[in-house]
Amino acid sequence: QKEVEQDPGPLSVPEGAIVSLNCTYSNSAFQYFMWYRQYSRKGPELLMYTYSSGNKEDGRFTAQVDKSSKYISLFIRDSQPSDSATYLCAMSAGTGNQFYFGTGTSLTVIP
Amino acid sequence: GAGVSQTPSNKVTEKGKYVELRCDPISGHTALYWYRQSLGQGPEFLIYFQGTGAADDSGLPNDRFFAVRPEGSVSTLKIQRTERGDSAVYLCASSLYHSDTQYFGPGTRLTVL
Repeated sequence: QKEVEQDPGPLSVPEGAIVSLNCTYSNSAFQYFMWYRQYSRKGPELLMYTYSSGNKEDGRFTAQVDKSSKYISLFIRDSQPSDSATYLCAMSAGTGNQFYFGTGTSLTVIP
Repeated sequence: GAGVSQTPSNKVTEKGKYVELRCDPISGHTALYWYRQSLGQGPEFLIYFQGTGAADDSGLPNDRFFAVRPEGSVSTLKIQRTERGDSAVYLCASSLYHSDTQYFGPGTRLTVL
């Protein structure tokens, strides 16, 4: 079983839609959770960084962590064509530990 | 300021050859990471440096892969006797200290023919 599971999609939505992206994980020691956005032929860029359970909001983006269910989500409100990219979740148990990435979900926002 | 840079951006080589991939981290970042990303997959951890030393090299797939960071800044990933299965994008990231936000470079796309 992989450490982190993520549905690869592809996901296609109309402009303005709310997008929900999700990852599940198996290691209960994970406590740092991240979402990265990766455009084609570019390196990943950090979108959201959360510690432990709860919600974090930044503009149109909201990250949720449910440690009891080992489930994390990223919501994108009012999606824009410029949001079209691959979204990667990543997580770590903390200092001295590796970061584990999901396979990424490919998102296309149609104008 | 300048982000993480990687050279070359693309490298095509023949099976059995030796390649070196270079990473210039963000100035002042003590931690540096190498990842490998195959098509349709997320980045896979290879090795992590804290300063000049390899703090965790458990992700290196075999002894054909080696990385150095002699002065605690620039790092070089070295692959000997390349195989077709080594074809992937090799990503470098740096962070101010371990467990801090990682900033990624654009990657080097390696193709082994």
